[in-house]
Amino acid sequence: QSVLTQPPSVSAAPGQKVTISCSGSSSNIGKNYVSWYQQFPGKAPKLLIYDNNRRPSGIPDRFSGSKSGTSATLAITGLQAGDEAVYYCGTWDDSLNTGGVFGGGTEVIVL
Amino acid sequence: EMQVVESGGGLVQPGGSLTLSCTASGFTFGASWMSWVRQAPGKGLEWVANIQPEGHEKHYVESVKARWTLSRDNAENSLSLEMYDLRAEDTAVYYCVRCRNYFDSRGQKRFYFDYWGQGTLVTVSP
Repeated sequence: QSVLTQPPSVSAAPGQKVTISCSGSSSNIGKNYVSWYQQFPGKAPKLLIYDNNRRPSGIPDRFSGSKSGTSATLAITGLQAGDEAVYYCGTWDDSLNTGGVFGGGTEVIVL
Repeated sequence: EMQVVESGGGLVQPGGSLTLSCTASGFTFGASWMSWVRQAPGKGLEWVANIQPEGHEKHYVESVKARWTLSRDNAENSLSLEMYDLRAEDTAVYYCVRCRNYFDSRGQKRFYFDYWGQGTLVTVSP
């Protein structure tokens, strides 16, 4: 059971938009910045979004992040076949057993 | 080019021990927080531990506290994770990652992983 909650999968046709939700609590998302990672099968994860909505160099602006209260959202517009991957949200949790926390991951399926 | 390379994974029996190593290049290792993140087969990501640039401050996920020790050698740009009393549930790919870990002016923590190694597999099995 992950500390952050994500839907197992989302799907859309090429060119469409998908959004992935990440739900947390006041001790994690409610207090700290959120990051997002993209992982292809058999590969290491890659940083996609940090500080809620900032993109590292080289990440296309089709990927965007937002945060409101204790939830965060990753949006992918102009969906492409190459976007099929698993996406994870992450942040720091300030509760008793403090540490880094991730969501369970969301598989994006391009129809 | 920023690079992180892990080594030391393998097959170990339950109750055994193993040391993972990581060497980094292309960024200022001695000024960076470093972490280990693991991924069990077919499962999601799990943060394991992180260490402050000077090595004095460390944090561990509850399940490995008192069993594992994280250390670093800034002169060698290297990170080590000594794992003891290994259990079947520790089976995973272990990633060495650079961790960005600091507070903003409002006290909110910025915590994310920007450089990842390719991972090393640890299998705990009889």
